[in-house]
Amino acid sequence: GQNIDQPTEMTATEGAIVQINCTYQTSGFNGLFWYQQHAGEAPTFLSYNVLDGLEEKGRFSSFLSRSKGYSYLLLKELQMKDSASYLCAVMDSNYQLIWGAGTKLIIKP
Amino acid sequence: GAVVSQHPSWVICKSGTSVKIECRSLDFQATTMFWYRQFPKQSLMLMATSNEGSKATYEQGVEKDKFLINHASLTLSTLTVTSAHPEDSSFYICSAKAGLVTEQYFGPGTRLTVT
Repeated sequence: GQNIDQPTEMTATEGAIVQINCTYQTSGFNGLFWYQQHAGEAPTFLSYNVLDGLEEKGRFSSFLSRSKGYSYLLLKELQMKDSASYLCAVMDSNYQLIWGAGTKLIIKP
Repeated sequence: GAVVSQHPSWVICKSGTSVKIECRSLDFQATTMFWYRQFPKQSLMLMATSNEGSKATYEQGVEKDKFLINHASLTLSTLTVTSAHPEDSSFYICSAKAGLVTEQYFGPGTRLTVT
C-alpha cells in the first residue's frame, strides 16, 4: 500500500531552526509537496520537489532523496506565526496526491 | 498565485436538508478539482476528484449519492451534501489544479454544521 510518515507533533523555540521529516512509500513518484495549514484554515502551498536535492525559498527549504523515499522541510529563524500543521504529500504514478497526516509544529517564545 | 474561492465560508443547516458548496477558480482554468473533508485535529481526507465535463471519481467509503459533485465548467465545481446529518458536520475544502503535475490550489474551506 501507499504510505506517508511524518511526526505527529514537534516543538521548537522562536528564532531557532526545525526540521520536519517525511518518509514515503508510493506507487510511482511524480513529486513531493509541502503545505502549511493553520488551524481552521485551508492548506497553502510551500514547496515542490521532483529532483533530488535542496530547494531553498526564503526561511523555508525542502530536501528530497528519491532513492531513500525521504524528504524534509527546514524552517529557519522560527517565528510565532510558523505555528501550524505541515503536510507532506506525494504525487503517485496516477498523478494522485497521497497525503501524510501532518506534523503539528508548536513554537514557544 | 492562483486563487480558488469557496462559498459559503460557513453554513448551519438542519438535519435532513441539503447544502450546496461552490468552488471556483478565479484566475485560471481548473482541469481537475478535488473535494476534501477534514475533521478536527485530523488530516485531509480526499472525498472525490472531478474533471470538467466528466463524472466525479469518489474515494472508497464516500457515498456518491449523498455527496453529489458537479464540475460543469473549467472554473466551477459544486458539492451538494444531501439529507445532511450531524455526523456530516466538518470542514469541507476544495482544491483545483491547471495541469497534470502542478500544485493544488486550495479554497478557504467551508465549515458545515448540521443541527
